[in-house]
Amino acid sequence: DQQVKQNSPSLSVQEGRISILNCDYTNSMFDYFLWYKKYPAEGPTFLISISSIKDKNEDGRFTVFLNKSAKHLSLHIVPSQPGDSAVYFCAASWGNQGGKLIFGQGTELSVKP
Amino acid sequence: DSGVTQTPKHLITATGQRVTLRCSPRSGDLSVYWYQQSLDQGLQFLIQYYNGEERAKGNILERFSAQQFPDLHSELNLSSLELGDSALYFCASSVRGGGTEAFFGQGTRLTVV
Repeated sequence: DQQVKQNSPSLSVQEGRISILNCDYTNSMFDYFLWYKKYPAEGPTFLISISSIKDKNEDGRFTVFLNKSAKHLSLHIVPSQPGDSAVYFCAASWGNQGGKLIFGQGTELSVKP
Repeated sequence: DSGVTQTPKHLITATGQRVTLRCSPRSGDLSVYWYQQSLDQGLQFLIQYYNGEERAKGNILERFSAQQFPDLHSELNLSSLELGDSALYFCASSVRGGGTEAFFGQGTRLTVV
């Protein structure tokens, strides 16, 4: 039962343009959502998060949007840079489950110069 | 550097053996999580400890066990190892048990031959 889904395994974007990574979830109990970035042979690095009481959170070039009615969140990276090339995971958790994160399968972003 | 330390970084062992993976959380973090990432798989939640007590359990095999010690470091014990247990094992920590980001270590790559 895949509760968090990233349907695009890969995404290629030109440097300077916007990257949009998408994530869908099925469990309406999720109340906290996160995006992580992962390079090969390294652990995931936290990027940005959003609580279910908000619909947008911004941090520099990264913005996360949450659409609760559609059970959808997205990560926007503007402008995209070659160093952003990595695998991006979305994750979700809910309060009474102690904070364990349920991850999507990841989307590999390639930003071309 | 996330502040989460995992040892060893690499481990090669034979089927049927037992290994112990170690994790030191970030200073001040009370919660420790273990995740498994197999080839072409997302991050699968195994187990969480909070301040020494088990808080949540995922699809962790009976051959696997974990504990968190009074100094808050954690160990994941894998026994009767099978080829399919070959994977990256990540430890993460967070300051509390939910509603906050978790920070990941570099992982231990386990190869069972």
